[in-house]
Amino acid sequence: AQKITQTQPGMFVQEKEAVTLDCTYDTSDQSYGLFWYKQPSSGEMIFLIYQGSYDEQNATEGRYSLNFQKARKSANLVISASQLGDSAMYFCAMREGRENYGGSQGNLIFGKGTKLSVKP
Amino acid sequence: DGGITQSPKYLFRKEGQNVTLSCEQNLNHDAMYWYRQDPGQGLRLIYYSQIVNDFQKGDIAEGYSVSREKKESFPLTVTSAQKNPTAFYLCASSIWTGNTEAFFGQGTRLTVV
Repeated sequence: AQKITQTQPGMFVQEKEAVTLDCTYDTSDQSYGLFWYKQPSSGEMIFLIYQGSYDEQNATEGRYSLNFQKARKSANLVISASQLGDSAMYFCAMREGRENYGGSQGNLIFGKGTKLSVKP
Repeated sequence: DGGITQSPKYLFRKEGQNVTLSCEQNLNHDAMYWYRQDPGQGLRLIYYSQIVNDFQKGDIAEGYSVSREKKESFPLTVTSAQKNPTAFYLCASSIWTGNTEAFFGQGTRLTVV
């Protein structure tokens, strides 16, 4: 079963408007972290924002915010005031709790991504 | 500047040849990872290493091999046993303890000709 699900293969948004990119996750761990990365056409992966499972407040980083709904296991990325440079692939990722070395804990598991296109 | 360097950026390989992708980091990170990216598939984990001289298979390790002789280096060899090696390969590193982000290299695009 997929651990990270991004249901929107592609999204369009008008420049200067806000957009929400969906992400749901599946884990039985109590401790985990959720990440969003941006991948422009150049291929590099750019870290955007992080939310810990014990964080009570939604994470924010500039124009990026994470709408974290723990009971629904959802971690949607909200981009405010979209810019043309925001056009890229966006990936949601999860790292499950890792108090100890060994095993598969600690690996970043990625969703399939959402391609965002910002229209002028 | 600290970061992760992957080389080469583009690589062409003939069928039946092994090829090694380089990944070097100077972030003093314990953990390093190799991911493969195909269109529409997101990133899939090939191998990861938590400490020097130790590494573990990821979800799609068949046809690949790695080594971790130094903390800074985690080369990936794509062997002739990998049936469909044409893909974009990304190397990453992170601090192992705690929920911190992984830092990525610029990637290597491998094409089998």
